[in-house]
Amino acid sequence: QVQLVQSGAEVKEPGASVKVSCKASGYTFTSYDLYWVRQAPGQGLEWMGWMNPNSGNTGYAQKFQGRVTMTRDTSISTAYVELSSLRSEDAAVYYCARAAGYREIDYWGQGTLVTVSS
Amino acid sequence: QSVLTQPPSASGTPGQRVTISCSGSGSNIGSNLINWYQQLPGTAPKLLIYNNNQRPSGVPDRFSGSKSGTSASLAISGLQSDDEADYYCAAWDDSLNGQVFGTGTKVTVL
Repeated sequence: QVQLVQSGAEVKEPGASVKVSCKASGYTFTSYDLYWVRQAPGQGLEWMGWMNPNSGNTGYAQKFQGRVTMTRDTSISTAYVELSSLRSEDAAVYYCARAAGYREIDYWGQGTLVTVSS
Repeated sequence: QSVLTQPPSASGTPGQRVTISCSGSGSNIGSNLINWYQQLPGTAPKLLIYNNNQRPSGVPDRFSGSKSGTSASLAISGLQSDDEADYYCAAWDDSLNGQVFGTGTKVTVL
């Protein structure tokens, strides 16, 4: 069965960077785009960007341009998102998610809580 | 700042029909397919409707989606207590070249 398993919770100071991983299993990792979506406490869903695991091509939401980097390691079917220059507003649950044929998200990771605090 | 607008809340009694609207523009709903997600408290979202009106395997036919112009709607018929959740619409936006989500609607079963 398809699974996206993310790394554990992180606590970071303002100005630091955080890198979250997402290990895929149960399907061919390079056959589906991956999205990263975040959700601040009590807030809605916010799309951060996409990555094609086959080519490594990426596309980022304008809000995160210059601060976000999405990468992958195909040898271990794992995707990563790194967000730099963290501020308090970046505190959220970060989800990796598989995008299917109509760009719908058919599988989600369990989420990774990132706390930003001094 | 979501570009798809949903009502913040909707409610109904068990067995009733509830409809949630999602309003966008020509660059998103007007040009692309719309998907709907259900998020139960403390869990990751789950795909409910894709390609405007298609249900993934396992989603009851009580859930239905429709789209007209730059708006879309999700209907839940035969409302059940298990349907208490947050619901989000989503679509690709050609102007932003990215996915956009709706503001979210909290459904309460009275």
